[in-house]
Amino acid sequence: AQSVTQPDIHITVSEGASLELRCNYSYGATPYLFWYVQSPGQGLQLLLKYFSGDTLVQGIKGFEAEFKRSQSSFNLRKPSVHWSDAAEYFCAVQGGSEKLVFGKGTKLTVNP
Amino acid sequence: GAGVSQSPSNKVTEKGKDVELRCDPISGHTALYWYRQRLGQGLEFLIYFQGNSAPDKSGLPSDRFSAERTGESVSTLTIQRTQQEDSAVYLCASTAGSVNYGYTFGSGTRLTVV
Repeated sequence: AQSVTQPDIHITVSEGASLELRCNYSYGATPYLFWYVQSPGQGLQLLLKYFSGDTLVQGIKGFEAEFKRSQSSFNLRKPSVHWSDAAEYFCAVQGGSEKLVFGKGTKLTVNP
Repeated sequence: GAGVSQSPSNKVTEKGKDVELRCDPISGHTALYWYRQRLGQGLEFLIYFQGNSAPDKSGLPSDRFSAERTGESVSTLTIQRTQQEDSAVYLCASTAGSVNYGYTFGSGTRLTVV
């Protein structure tokens, strides 16, 4: 069965600094991979997704993610963080069934 | 509608009571999913509907949990004889045909069992 690990429970960065959120997945074949963001009191919003092809995927709000098969990773990046990016970020994998399996999330705090 | 709508947004219930949580998916979305999010945890899959059938209900934690869907519309998640461990945010999502398109989530129902 597929699984997702987000090693960092909480990350703090300064506004304007770069950001990388880690995600490792477990699945035998090439999975479909997703990043979602959840702001306080809100539902989840899709940031980006990877199905196949170019391993560098662009998403909304200036985010990008890179699929690395050799490392079973799908890390999320942003070159310059804004205060409004403070939220919780979830990586998810889909493979072999119609459900998404989510990681436990990384909470991002942005310092002014 | 424009988005996935869930009601109520908050529900406080006494232990042992039954609760019903409602999800209105985006019009035309054939697939509907229920997830549970406990405090500080990721999302746990509960059940998936394609139309009004449920091909995958493997995530329902016990027989106290059940769900139904009317056509390709409203879904209701029912929890009978609620327990304190049922306290969580229950999220509903829908998609046009397959999870590959990415879900659209509702804002959730926060259930507190006291």
